[in-house]
Amino acid sequence: QQPVQSPQAVILREGEDAVINCSSSKALYSVHWYRQKHGEAPVFLMILLKGGEQKGHEKISASFNEKKQQSSLYLTASQLSYSGTYFCGTENAGNNRKLIWGLGTSLAVNP
Amino acid sequence: DGGITQSPKYLFRKEGQNVTLSCEQNLNHDAMYWYRQDPGQGLRLIYYSQIVNDFQKGDIAEGYSVSREKKESFPLTVTSAQKNPTAFYLCASSPKTGVMGETQYFGPGTRLLVL
Repeated sequence: QQPVQSPQAVILREGEDAVINCSSSKALYSVHWYRQKHGEAPVFLMILLKGGEQKGHEKISASFNEKKQQSSLYLTASQLSYSGTYFCGTENAGNNRKLIWGLGTSLAVNP
Repeated sequence: DGGITQSPKYLFRKEGQNVTLSCEQNLNHDAMYWYRQDPGQGLRLIYYSQIVNDFQKGDIAEGYSVSREKKESFPLTVTSAQKNPTAFYLCASSPKTGVMGETQYFGPGTRLLVL
């Protein structure tokens, strides 16, 4: 079951904040966040594990609500370099360590 | 420098032709993955391998084949049975098998186009 990301697209001015959400219909073990620029490979940002452990980017924060089966990525004081498509990948118990990816959230940061 | 390389960057396929996409990693990672990405879409898993000489089908394996003869290499063949192969193909690897919560690292991708 593919996780649902919202919103589909966001347009910001430099310095503004944004929140991107990722929801799953199944119990989650971990949520992985990546950013992809057009024509390039996804770049790892953050991983959130069941139990509260987080690993990742210093300037980007995220939350993981196990009960609600959802994660949110917080982009604060956005920079032009934050532009791209953000994907969440979810890992479910019993999924044999495969990630299931959302459709992405397109973020554009303008000057 | 350690990393994942994919070649070629662009690949053109004629009707009825098999083509092979290369993926090599020098990160000493156990697991490797192949994904397909279509415009405006997320990543869909084609095949994955957790150990040499073993691999499993992902969600869209039909029309594709792989091999894992060496730990560092995981080539993907797009066969003539894949009727709509135009897409961006991404190879990824992760350090360990049997461990959940492992980060996947991606190669730069190969864009496949049909002539």
